[in-house]
Amino acid sequence: EIVLTQSPTTMAASPGEKVTITCRASSSVSYMHWFQQKSGTSPKPWIYDTSKLASGVPDRFSGSGSGTSYSLTISSMEAEDAATYYCLQRSSYPLTFGSGTKLEIK
Amino acid sequence: QVQLQQSGAELVKPGSSVKISCKASGYTFTSYDMHWIKQQPGNGLEWIGWIYPGNGNTKYNQKFNGKATLTADKSSSTAYMQLSSLTSEDSAVYFCARRAAGSPFAYWGQGTLVTVSS
Repeated sequence: EIVLTQSPTTMAASPGEKVTITCRASSSVSYMHWFQQKSGTSPKPWIYDTSKLASGVPDRFSGSGSGTSYSLTISSMEAEDAATYYCLQRSSYPLTFGSGTKLEIK
Repeated sequence: QVQLQQSGAELVKPGSSVKISCKASGYTFTSYDMHWIKQQPGNGLEWIGWIYPGNGNTKYNQKFNGKATLTADKSSSTAYMQLSSLTSEDSAVYFCARRAAGSPFAYWGQGTLVTVSS
């Protein structure tokens, strides 16, 4: 099983601040996918195939990485970005998620 | 538009079973895998498995072998997940989800809360 380790576990950012969330895989994966989840709601697709933004995702978000190291970046934090972000790999079974990064606004 | 409508919350006793549903609309039900995902309170996401309604093929996370059984009814465009021998560890929100081109889990149900308690 491929284990995905996200860091940090929690963080707080000020409006306008640059934010980077990292997802490290225990083995190499072809792509990384990201989801945003707010309290009491279903996760939303956010970034797929490492760097493609899902429909409706603001372009202040970006994704990058390869092999075992991937990241999600927000160029300028906004209040609406406060949420928990999960990475997902589907390169091998079982599909696995990272444990999540809770992002709060300062 | 694609919609996945899940059944309502369940309160069930330890040792029993529960069957939750996910009714699909807005697309050809038999053309896409339906995945199931578990989220325990305050915890992360865990992939349970998928079913391909077109032929009934399934793939499970080994961890859920014997715990979860996935089925699908083509006539009603509904996917089901049965959970058996329930314990407190099975208390969670369960989601169904479907991919889109390139994007895994592009569509999600609203989730079904299963609470196991005597």
